[in-house]
Amino acid sequence: AQSVTQLGSHVSVSEGALVLLRCNYSSSVPPYLFWYVQYPNQGLQLLLKYTSAATLVKGINGFEAEFKKSETSFHLTKPSAHMSDAAEYFCAVSRGAQKLVFGQGTRLTINP
Amino acid sequence: GAGVSQSPSNKVTEKGKDVELRCDPISGHTALYWYRQSLGQGLEFLIYFQGNSAPDKSGLPSDRFSAERTGGSVSTLTIQRTQQEDSAVYLCASSLAASGPNTGELFFGEGSRLTVL
Repeated sequence: AQSVTQLGSHVSVSEGALVLLRCNYSSSVPPYLFWYVQYPNQGLQLLLKYTSAATLVKGINGFEAEFKKSETSFHLTKPSAHMSDAAEYFCAVSRGAQKLVFGQGTRLTINP
Repeated sequence: GAGVSQSPSNKVTEKGKDVELRCDPISGHTALYWYRQSLGQGLEFLIYFQGNSAPDKSGLPSDRFSAERTGGSVSTLTIQRTQQEDSAVYLCASSLAASGPNTGELFFGEGSRLTVL
């Protein structure tokens, strides 16, 4: 079964610093991969998705992620953190069509 | 509506009671999903609908859980004889289709927070 593992349930960075949230997937074939963000008391919102068209995927709010098959990784980055980036971030993999399987989530805290 | 709408936003019930949670998806979205979000459990898939049929019910935790969708639109998740471990946020999402170029592009509601006393 396909799954994703997010390394670190909680990440804290200073405002203006690099954000790096780690995600590794397990799949026998390149899957569809996603990052979603959940702000407090809200539903999840799609940040970006990988569908094999390009290994570097750009999303909203300055986030991007790079698909690395050799490392089975899909880490999320942002060059400079902003206070408004504080949220919970979920990596997800699609089993072909139908349902998404989500990671456990990483809570991002931004320190002023 | 503009987004996925869920009701109630909060529900407190007593152990053993039945509850119904409602989801109104984005107009035109044929696929509808239910997930459960619990502390320490992440997001757990429950069921998905394509139109009115549910090809994948594999995530329903027990036979106390059921869901239906009528008219290809509104869906209801029913939990019978609630238990304390059912306490969680139940999230509904919809998408244009369950396959094709929009696969995985889910639009989520704000969730229904269920507390079982």
